[in-house]
Amino acid sequence: KAGVTQTPRYLIKTRGQQVTLSCSPISGHRSVSWYQQTPGQGLQFLFEYFSETQRNKGNFPGRFSGRQFSNSRSEMNVSTLELGDSALYLCASSWTGKKTEAFFGQGTRLTVV
Amino acid sequence: AQSVTQLDSQVPVFEEAPVELRCNYSSSVSVYLFWYVQYPNQGLQLLLKYLSGSTLVKGINGFEAEFNKSQTSFHLRKPSVHISDTAEYFCAVSESLPGTYKYIFGTGTRLKVLA
Repeated sequence: KAGVTQTPRYLIKTRGQQVTLSCSPISGHRSVSWYQQTPGQGLQFLFEYFSETQRNKGNFPGRFSGRQFSNSRSEMNVSTLELGDSALYLCASSWTGKKTEAFFGQGTRLTVV
Repeated sequence: AQSVTQLDSQVPVFEEAPVELRCNYSSSVSVYLFWYVQYPNQGLQLLLKYLSGSTLVKGINGFEAEFNKSQTSFHLRKPSVHISDTAEYFCAVSESLPGTYKYIFGTGTRLKVLA
């Protein structure tokens, strides 16, 4: 059974650009969550989608957005990149998003220069 | 608002010694509790979880944790560690409230097992 796949694994972008990250969940999982991991702030929740609907959103500016497609694949977009957006972005999938185990991808390492 | 505190940022321990990684949480409602492990350049892997029932939960790789509601703690233990246990460990909580579908993570504890 394939795990959670995140693409790309590494990305370098310039300030002011925008970026789109992709996450393919485990087959059958309908909940996809996104987290930002930085050395200073740790793991912070960005948003969660279930059946193409955003159910929860973290405390991030509107530059951070996401969506989920009918096949449960998800994308997150960051517009007008800032240096502080440099982080490891992790995607997690689960059956329902609550109580059940969340399976994490290996993440996308975004560096903003 | 819910929060998770992992007081120890780093824990060095000799191989085959026991270890305890501490986790305390704050929430006004009942919670679900999790411990995850992260190896370098990897995502997070679930070690164990507490949803309800017995307060002592056993997980993978010989780890166990005990939920203590009165002390709002969920400490992770292993009686004998191996070099391969060197990794970062994260405690996480999720509130049982309807409409809540997020985990709040602690800042992590870096376990370093010494030969």
